[in-house]
Formats: sequence, structure tokens, C-alpha cells
Amino acid sequence: QSALTQPASVSGAPGQSITIPCTGSKSDVGSYNLVSWYQQHPGKGPTLLIYADIKRPAGVPNRFSGSKSGNTASLTISGVQAEDEADYYCCSYVVTNTSVIFGGGTKLTVL
Amino acid sequence: EVQLVESGGGMVQPGESLRISCATSGFNFVNYWMSWFRQAPGKGLEWVATMDQDGSETHYVDSLKGRFIISRDNSESTLYLQMSSLRAEDTAVYYCARIPNFFSYYMDVWGRGTTVTVSS
Repeated sequence: QSALTQPASVSGAPGQSITIPCTGSKSDVGSYNLVSWYQQHPGKGPTLLIYADIKRPAGVPNRFSGSKSGNTASLTISGVQAEDEADYYCCSYVVTNTSVIFGGGTKLTVL
Repeated sequence: EVQLVESGGGMVQPGESLRISCATSGFNFVNYWMSWFRQAPGKGLEWVATMDQDGSETHYVDSLKGRFIISRDNSESTLYLQMSSLRAEDTAVYYCARIPNFFSYYMDVWGRGTTVTVSS
């Protein structure tokens, strides 16, 4: 199973909106509602931002949102803040072979 | 407070074995699927293995089948990963994570990781 495709880096000024796409195939991202997103600051473990494509856990700021169209899922940060500078990973469960795949990660730089 | 604390990492030589642990607290461990992930230096996240609540069902990434074994002790609320025939490419930070709903498959709590270095 190939990894999901994310841009290596994105950047934005404080207050701007940024979107990170995550492209897969109809057998992973494009099937069911099994995409999740994680934030990872340097030297720390990942934290959950979005699950089931669009759901946001309690405690995650509402400036983080998820969406999906076809085989591409997206994470949008509406009004980027300095503390959002981190790496972001998309993840999908693959039902057909009970495996889990990640995107390569996107480094967000807040200008 | 829900906590996952990995331990047991260290430096080993190629071909050796190592068992790492994930001690959990703050939730009913026996009710959750659990997984191991790893992250090589400067690289992205990689799924390693998943186990169901009672240890009867396991899943592994194809590349590690036969060398790595996931297990759990529900009486101790602890998850384990037994790694054998270790190679330089197994060098990574290893994380455990909790899966609150297997049918949605996402990880809502992660540990801080334990570092495994395979080098001669």
C-alpha cells in the first residue's frame, strides 16, 4: 500500500487560512470515513486533530477543520497562529487489508 | 488523566532483540484496541502493529511480520512490542497509541515515545 501524498511544506502569516491536502486512492482515502489528522511538535508525540474525515475531538480549537472530496482529504486551519507551527500528518485505515497508512507529513511554517 | 508511557528503548546491535513497553493509566485499558507506531529520524510516522482488547486479533505492517510481535497484559494495563533480528533501519522513536473506536480507526491518545537505536 503506497503512502498518502501531502506537500512537504506550507506557510502562512498569522491570521491567514491554510489548507493541507492529502491524496490517496479509492481504496483508502476515497472509501468510508476513515481519515484522521495529527499534529506533531518537535520532540513530542502526535496529537489528534480530526477523525472520521471531518470530526473534531473535544479540546481541539475550532480553527482546525477537515474535509474530503473523492480521493483527497484536506485539513484547513482558519486563522493560523504561531503555536500551530508543527508537522501535520494525514492517516487512513485501509479496510481491504486491515492496514494503516500515513502521508509523508507537511511542515507548517508560520511567517 | 489518560497517560501512555513508553519505556525499554535503548541501543542494541544488529541482530539482537528488544522488548519495549507502554504503561497506561487513567482509563480502562481492557476496553481499547491499541497500536504501535514508529518514526525514523527525520522521517514520517509509520504504523507497526495493532491488537484488539483481549489479544485475540492482531495486525502488522507487512514489512515487519515475523520479526515484531505485539502483546498486552490487561492485568497490568500494559502493551508490549517484542522486536527481534533488529536492523539499522529499525532505528526510530516508537510510540504507542489508543484506538477509541476500531470501526472509525483513529488514535486519540499517544505516548511520548521511546527511542530504539540499532547500531554496531
